[in-house]
Amino acid sequence: AQSVAQPEDQVNVAEGNPLTVKCTYSVSGNPYLFWYVQYPNRGLQFLLKYITGDNLVKGSYGFEAEFNKSQTSFHLKKPSALVSDSALYFCAVRLNYGGATNKLIFGTGTLLAVQP
Amino acid sequence: DTGVSQDPRHKITKRGQNVTFRCDPISEHNRLYWYRQTLGQGPEFLTYFQNEAQLEKSRLLSDRFSAERPKGSFSTLEIQRTEQGDSAMYLCAGGLAGPDTGELFFGEGSRLTVL
Repeated sequence: AQSVAQPEDQVNVAEGNPLTVKCTYSVSGNPYLFWYVQYPNRGLQFLLKYITGDNLVKGSYGFEAEFNKSQTSFHLKKPSALVSDSALYFCAVRLNYGGATNKLIFGTGTLLAVQP
Repeated sequence: DTGVSQDPRHKITKRGQNVTFRCDPISEHNRLYWYRQTLGQGPEFLTYFQNEAQLEKSRLLSDRFSAERPKGSFSTLEIQRTEQGDSAMYLCAGGLAGPDTGELFFGEGSRLTVL
């Protein structure tokens, strides 16, 4: 069964420092991978996705993620964190299209706290 | 604002009552999903529609839950005989069918509290 793991419940980083939020996945076949962000009392917002091609994908708000097939990871990164980046981040995986439902399987989330 | 609206945003009910949630997705989105999110957890898939057809239901969706999407536009999720364990945020999301798509557009959710 496909699954996603986010090993850190919380990541703390100082403003201006680089940040990494970790994600590993388990799926048979080629995965589609996603990052979503959830601000308090708001719905999930799409950040970026990896489908194929360049292993480094860029997304909204200066975020990027690196797909590593050998390590089955898709870590979210940003070179310089902002206090406004503080939110709950979810990694998600979807089976490659081929009659699948396109449903996303989400990790448990990582709370990012950026200190001023 | 993703363009997906959910109503009501908050619902408090007593155990045993029925509740219904409505989702209005972006009109172009032919796929519609319902997810449930509890505190400290990621969203869990409940069911999805392509146009008006309900194509998959999770085992999480007991027979007390029913979802519809008449005419392939808005969708409703009804929970009958609510239980305290049904307390959660119910999320609706829309998307497009296709091999290179995949991102979903989520509403802000409907929070259910069962007393």
